[in-house]
Amino acid sequence: SYVLTQPPSVSVAPGKTASITCGGDNNEGNSVHWYQQKPGQAPLLVMYYDSDRPSGIPERFSGSNSGNTATLTISRVEAGDEADYYCQVWHRSSNHVVFGGGTKLTVL
Amino acid sequence: QLQLQESGPGLVKPSETLSLTCTVSGASITSSLYYWGWIRQSPAKGLEWIGSLFYTGTPFYNPSLKSRVTLTVDTSNSHFSLKLTSVTAADTAVYYCARFELGIGRFDPWGQGTLVTVSS
Repeated sequence: SYVLTQPPSVSVAPGKTASITCGGDNNEGNSVHWYQQKPGQAPLLVMYYDSDRPSGIPERFSGSNSGNTATLTISRVEAGDEADYYCQVWHRSSNHVVFGGGTKLTVL
Repeated sequence: QLQLQESGPGLVKPSETLSLTCTVSGASITSSLYYWGWIRQSPAKGLEWIGSLFYTGTPFYNPSLKSRVTLTVDTSNSHFSLKLTSVTAADTAVYYCARFELGIGRFDPWGQGTLVTVSS
């Protein structure tokens, strides 16, 4: 089965850069998407196709995918970025969707 | 603007069937570009994909839930539905519906979610 591994938590000071990783032995060749979820809210797409930002998402959010690890990077972190972040992959060959376990981003 | 809204009972008894509906507004449910999906979230398991289906009714399911899940679509009323049979406490979760963009493989947007508790 497919597994996406994320660190349970990442902490960062305001104004600094946060990097959240998503590891999986099936990442290569499959695009990774990222969602932000604030308490009591539904997940919100913040990155797709590894590094494309939906409209309305600040340029401070960027993404990359190399080898078996995808990374969501948030520059100049703000208090409002504090949330849970989930990665997700669609394995098109099997039509199987997988989510990572989520990373809680804490802004110190 | 596309909106999705989940509806259904918030409490289901163990061994019974959980039934939820997602109503789509602001866009056509019959678009050839999209599937329509269900995802659930529990504290224990995080986000878990349940399944997705096309407006013609073609579904694909999470293998771990496949034996208990049925997804259907009602294009005349612009909604799609989830049935999960033989529920247990482990099925207690917030259930979300979302649009799934085929080809890209992303979920966007999501409904607000509905909490379903399995308890006698």
